[in-house]
Amino acid sequence: KAGVTQTPRYLIKTRGQQVTLSCSPISGHRSVSWYQQTPGQGLQFLFEYFSETQRNKGNFPGRFSGRQFSNSRSEMNVSTLELGDSALYLCASSPLGDSGSFYEQYFGPGTRLTVT
Amino acid sequence: SQKIEQNSEALNIQEGKTATLTCNYTNYSPAYLQWYRQDPGRGPVFLLLIRENEKEKRKERLKVTFDTTLKQSLFHITASQPADSATYLCALPSGGSYIPTFGRGTSLIVHP
Repeated sequence: KAGVTQTPRYLIKTRGQQVTLSCSPISGHRSVSWYQQTPGQGLQFLFEYFSETQRNKGNFPGRFSGRQFSNSRSEMNVSTLELGDSALYLCASSPLGDSGSFYEQYFGPGTRLTVT
Repeated sequence: SQKIEQNSEALNIQEGKTATLTCNYTNYSPAYLQWYRQDPGRGPVFLLLIRENEKEKRKERLKVTFDTTLKQSLFHITASQPADSATYLCALPSGGSYIPTFGRGTSLIVHP
């Protein structure tokens, strides 16, 4: 099976702008999670989508939002970018999130966002 | 509050030796614990999952132990190779969901 793909791989934006990142999960995976990774904070959970619904959410401001489409592809949007939003944004898909599934995450290569 | 602790100092070992990495946690009662490998600039790669009722899990040269009394997991790589050099992350579910929360990771450097 093809792995998780993310586009774009690199992005440079200016403070105040908005950005949309895209993720295509592994075929058959319905759970898609987004993470932010920075040297200072490590890997932090943003949110998880399952069957087009946000099922879990981390502690990030409302500027960070996402959605999932019927084919399980997901997008993440960050509005009003701040310098501190510079990070590696990782998407991960997981096998069906029923009880008995322990949410092993299969990560994409990430999108490196730089805010200037 | 819940906390996952991994040694922030890099672990340097010689090729052929066994590398042992530690993951300690507080204020968790996790149903499982996972280990991932991450190379620079790339996404983490899932390696192993061990459940709360399992003491030990093996996969090729990898071995994970899980001590729920000590609230600790040990991750071993036997016969280490330079290609094993990477950052290793442990992850536990938190917040009442099954979504894993990640530790900061420990960098392993295997010298030829």
